[in-house]
Amino acid sequence: AQSVTQPDIHITVSEGASLELRCNYSYGATPYLFWYVQSPGQGLQLLLKYFSGDTLVQGIKGFEAEFKRSQSSFNLRKPSVHWSDAAEYFCAVLNAGGTSYGKLTFGQGTILTVHP
Amino acid sequence: KAGVTQTPRYLIKTRGQQVTLSCSPISGHRSVSWYQQTPGQGLQFLFEYFSETQRNKGNFPGRFSGRQFSNSRSEMNVSTLELGDSALYLCASSSPRALDYEQYFGPGTRLTVT
Repeated sequence: AQSVTQPDIHITVSEGASLELRCNYSYGATPYLFWYVQSPGQGLQLLLKYFSGDTLVQGIKGFEAEFKRSQSSFNLRKPSVHWSDAAEYFCAVLNAGGTSYGKLTFGQGTILTVHP
Repeated sequence: KAGVTQTPRYLIKTRGQQVTLSCSPISGHRSVSWYQQTPGQGLQFLFEYFSETQRNKGNFPGRFSGRQFSNSRSEMNVSTLELGDSALYLCASSSPRALDYEQYFGPGTRLTVT
């Protein structure tokens, strides 16, 4: 069964500092990978996605992520964090084959706190 | 294009009651997935509907059910509510023509069971 691990439950960074959120997945075939962000009391907004092609993907709000098959990782990065980036971030994998229609498997999330 | 809408946004119910939540997908999207989000269990998949058919179901008891209408709107129902059903319920829609299977999420319905 597919699974996603986000090792860091809570990360605190200073505004302007760089950011990397870790994500490791377990999945047999080439996965469809996503990063979502959730502000308190809100739904999920897609930051970026990977399903094929260039392993470095660019997303919204200045985020990027790199797919590394050898490490089963899909880490999210941002060169300079803004106070408005404070939120909870979720990595997710989707099994596009078989009978797992429409099922995203999520990591436990990483809460990002940004200090001024 | 309007996003995914969910109604109601907030709901308070008593143990033993039942509840129905509604989700309207983005126009043209025919797949609707439902998720439950709790602090303890995180985001968990409930079920997915496509063209009025449930194609996939997560590991939830039979008290959780859903359906989809011909206009792709979906409802989920929880019967005999338990305190542990308190959660944020999210629905997401996607287009079957999208090669990347991106799911667009609604704002959620916050259910509190007392």
